[in-house]
Amino acid sequence: DAGVIQSPRHEVTEMGQEVTLRCKPISGHDYLFWYRQTMMRGLELLIYFNNNVPIDDSGMPEDRFSAKMPNASFSTLKIQPSEPRDSAVYFCASSLGGGGSSEQYFGPGTRLTVT
Amino acid sequence: GENVEQHPSTLSVQEGDSAVIKCTYSDSASNYFPWYKQELGKRPQLIIDIRSNVGEKKDQRIAVTLNKTAKHFSLHITETQPEDSAVYFCAANEGGSYIPTFGRGTSLIVHP
Repeated sequence: DAGVIQSPRHEVTEMGQEVTLRCKPISGHDYLFWYRQTMMRGLELLIYFNNNVPIDDSGMPEDRFSAKMPNASFSTLKIQPSEPRDSAVYFCASSLGGGGSSEQYFGPGTRLTVT
Repeated sequence: GENVEQHPSTLSVQEGDSAVIKCTYSDSASNYFPWYKQELGKRPQLIIDIRSNVGEKKDQRIAVTLNKTAKHFSLHITETQPEDSAVYFCAANEGGSYIPTFGRGTSLIVHP
């Protein structure tokens, strides 16, 4: 398996624009997580899915953020409208679950810069 | 929910010295404690983990200890090398779930 795949790797956008981040988890993994990483706040869990169903979105900062997982092999995190304070590295991660390993496999991340 | 505290936030050592990073957790039902290493510009990756039914686990130069009574666990790196320089995150899975709560991270700098 190629591991968790994220795109784009870098995104630079202007304030007010819509941003969509994409993630393909490892095949067979039941859990998918979206994290945001900044120097100030560390690694924050935004939302996670189990078997494509959103379970806990309490970490989503506000209504400008939304996430979907239409099928087992694809998820998106959307920010609309984007603001400079959204600048961060966004990681997607997946884990096996279902009685198996709890290890999280992280994607390479998307570095988002909002100007 | 679970709360994980990690110390120190920065640790600077000389090559060859040992390094110790400590974490405490709040949920006594937590039973899985992984450690992740994140090199500069890279993704976090699991380096070692421990379950609540053991007190210590070792893998070459790294080891993790767990004290369930005191609710703390530690990462020990011996004979540090410059390539050990990275940010290390501890985590705890609450109540046997697959959802980790991460500490804030420790930036380890190993000076050659």
